[in-house]
Amino acid sequence: AQRVTQPEKLLSVFKGAPVELKCNYSYSGSPELFWYVQYSRQRLQLLLRHISRESIKGFTADLNKGETSFHLKKPFAQEEDSAMYYCALRGGVQGAQKLVFGQGTRLTINP
Amino acid sequence: GAVVSQHPSWVICKSGTSVKIECRSLDFQATTMFWYRQFPKQSLMLMATSNEGSKATYEQGVEKDKFLINHASLTLSTLTVTSAHPEDSSFYICSAPRAGARSYNEQFFGPGTRLTVL
Repeated sequence: AQRVTQPEKLLSVFKGAPVELKCNYSYSGSPELFWYVQYSRQRLQLLLRHISRESIKGFTADLNKGETSFHLKKPFAQEEDSAMYYCALRGGVQGAQKLVFGQGTRLTINP
Repeated sequence: GAVVSQHPSWVICKSGTSVKIECRSLDFQATTMFWYRQFPKQSLMLMATSNEGSKATYEQGVEKDKFLINHASLTLSTLTVTSAHPEDSSFYICSAPRAGARSYNEQFFGPGTRLTVL
């Protein structure tokens, strides 16, 4: 079964501090992992995906298959980073486009 | 970027009535769309996969007779909540994948529809 776990419902850090949002997954095959973000009163949007190995808005995430993790990191948090963040997994041929979401982490950046 | 719209953005109805929610891909065609349900302060739970020209695929535990899905065209999927009850009150979100560079199907989400059943 596919499962995504985000252990922290809430995370609060000060502006300029490093931030790490944790994500662990359970999947028997080779998954695709994503981070989605939802800013206040906006729709869900893709932040980054592991296959791209890119940095978006200063955020990076590395897929660690040994630890089955895909933590989202940013070295210096900004106030505009305050949002809801969802880790998601897509795997398998049968459900090729289905996404399974974690519970989400609400990130608050304090000034 | 690709745009997915939903209509209505919110709806209030009486218990026992049916409510239809539309999901449209505005600038691309989508043979597949997804319907999610989100309770307050909770994650998105996939309800079903809407397939153009064929029956929808429902996730385990989702009543297909209660949540009717019709994918009549390549740009429109509808979710009808039949005989709605207060426990059906929720935020319903649709998404549609669009083929992008490197054959990657990025999913684009609608803004959601808030359903309140009195």
